[in-house]
Amino acid sequence: QKEVEQNSGPLSVPEGAIASLNCTYSDRGSQSFFWYRQYSGKSPELIMSIYSNGDKEDGRFTAQLNKASQYVSLLIRDSQPSDSATYLCAVLMKTSYDKVIFGPGTSLSVIP
Amino acid sequence: SAVISQKPSRDICQRGTSLTIQCQVDSQVTMMFWYRQQPGQSLTLIATANQGSEATYESGFVIDKFPISRPNLTFSTLTVSNMSPEDSSIYLCSGVDRAGGNEQFFGPGTRLTVL
Repeated sequence: QKEVEQNSGPLSVPEGAIASLNCTYSDRGSQSFFWYRQYSGKSPELIMSIYSNGDKEDGRFTAQLNKASQYVSLLIRDSQPSDSATYLCAVLMKTSYDKVIFGPGTSLSVIP
Repeated sequence: SAVISQKPSRDICQRGTSLTIQCQVDSQVTMMFWYRQQPGQSLTLIATANQGSEATYESGFVIDKFPISRPNLTFSTLTVSNMSPEDSSIYLCSGVDRAGGNEQFFGPGTRLTVL
């Protein structure tokens, strides 16, 4: 089992719709979770972090965390063409040392 | 958030040579990491750069190939040694400030092409 997995893409949604991105992780002791957005040719940009079970909202973005299910998701409401990018889920794993592991990413296209 | 710079931003190298990439953070961070991102792929962790001691390498990466230094809290280097075309990739430095909620910030990356 891979340490961090994401729903396979690419994902296409019409402009104004809700985009739903999913991520599961293997380390039950993980406490910190992050969503990054990466445009082609650019480095990843942090858009959300979440540490507690439940929902965390920031503008059009909502992160959801369920530690019991080892599941974290990102919802993008009112999707815009500028949201078209690859979204990376990242997990801070606390093994014998701390390390941040990234999922494979989900490519999102928002169609005008 | 921390601002991270890297240099060079890109380079084209001959096989068998080595390249050292520098990473500078504008504030003290507790953890620094080096990642590799091959075309069309996600980020793969190479190692954790430890201040004043040997880096912690992930499976598949070794010190002889990717020596890393971190002499202080704001600076680190990654060397890609004895390069081959398979080393062509983007190399990214990142920093984590635990006081800032463990959020990780990335440098702009170094695009390496090995001929």
